[in-house]
Amino acid sequence: KAGVTQTPRYLIKTRGQQVTLSCSPISGHRSVSWYQQTPGQGLQFLFEYFSETQRNKGNFPGRFSGRQFSNSRSEMNVSTLELGDSALYLCASSPGTGDHEQYFGPGTRLTVT
Amino acid sequence: QQQVKQSPQSLIVQKGGISIINCAYENTAFDYFPWYQQFPGKGPALLIAIRPDVSEKKEGRFTISFNKSAKQFSLHIMDSQPGDSATYFCAASNSGYALNFGKGTSLLVTP
Repeated sequence: KAGVTQTPRYLIKTRGQQVTLSCSPISGHRSVSWYQQTPGQGLQFLFEYFSETQRNKGNFPGRFSGRQFSNSRSEMNVSTLELGDSALYLCASSPGTGDHEQYFGPGTRLTVT
Repeated sequence: QQQVKQSPQSLIVQKGGISIINCAYENTAFDYFPWYQQFPGKGPALLIAIRPDVSEKKEGRFTISFNKSAKQFSLHIMDSQPGDSATYFCAASNSGYALNFGKGTSLLVTP
């Protein structure tokens, strides 16, 4: 089975812009979670989608949003980018029911200048 | 507020030795405890996971020990190899998919 794919792998944006990141989960997996990884804060949970519905949400401002499509692919959007949004954004895929095992993609490295 | 506390921050072990990383949590509702391994430039890879009804789980050279009363769990890497040099994260969740991660342990296994 192919693993989790994330696009793009690298992004450079300017403060104030918005950005959209994409994640394709493992085939058959219906849950997609997003995490932000920074040297200072570590790995922090953003939100989780299951069957096109947001099922869990972390403690991030409303500038961070996401959605999931009928094929389980997910996108996350960050509006009005701030310098502090520079991070590795990781997507994790899971079957969504029963088994809680989450499998991470390689991440998208976002740099905000 | 860090819900999972991980120690040590860094660890140096000789090849063939045992690497031990510890984690503690406060939320008694947590019921799933995975460990992840991350190499530079890669996403975290699931190593092994445990649920609170089991005190120990072993997969190859990796063992999780779980102490429910102390709210602690640990990862033991037996016969550590230079290829094990990576950052290790413990995590915990409450019957859901919102993993709460520790801050990570940077492991270096010297030849």
